[in-house]
Amino acid sequence: KQEVTQIPAALSVPEGENLVLNCSFTDSAIYNLQWFRQDPGKGLTSLLLIQSSQREQTSGRLNASLDKSSGRSTLYIAASQPGDSATYLCAVGGRGSARQLTFGSGTQLTVLP
Amino acid sequence: DVKVTQSSRYLVKRTGEKVFLECVQDMDHENMFWYRQDPGLGLRLIYFSYDVKMKEKGDIPEGYSVSREKKERFSLILESASTNQTSMYLCASSRNTGMVGRETQYFGPGTRLLVL
Repeated sequence: KQEVTQIPAALSVPEGENLVLNCSFTDSAIYNLQWFRQDPGKGLTSLLLIQSSQREQTSGRLNASLDKSSGRSTLYIAASQPGDSATYLCAVGGRGSARQLTFGSGTQLTVLP
Repeated sequence: DVKVTQSSRYLVKRTGEKVFLECVQDMDHENMFWYRQDPGLGLRLIYFSYDVKMKEKGDIPEGYSVSREKKERFSLILESASTNQTSMYLCASSRNTGMVGRETQYFGPGTRLLVL
């Protein structure tokens, strides 16, 4: 059974700092890996999707990498801003009939002004 | 623009009540999902559906059932609500693109359920 782990559970950084969030998974037979953002009391917003054949994806200040062989992904946020404060969730897409996702428990990021 | 809506943002129910949570998507997506989210446990899949009238159990289906009579609507039913079902419930949908690995799930805003 796929297990997804995110470390650290919480992270606090000063504004302007570059930071890396980590995600690891136990089964490398995945279809894709996604990073989501969740603001307090809200639903999830997809940030980046990396297909299993890809190594990385970029969107603005965000860069996500995928190393299937080692079961790891990182989300790099450049020049962090207070508006980046949220919980970031990593999810791995499996081989089920609807490509079900298995989620990590998230990293709560606080960017201090 | 993609839209997934859930019938209630907040809900308070009594133990033993039958509870219906409704989810509607306007994107003609084939797949729909129900998750619950609890602190420290992340999102856990309750049930999902990949077509009308089709449903499959997720990781934690006990105490829940679902209904998908129309493509755009997926209902989660708590047959007899219990206090341990107090949680945030999130609905999501995705398309079968035919391009393996490119399916993104779109989420609704969530329903926070309190069972007293």
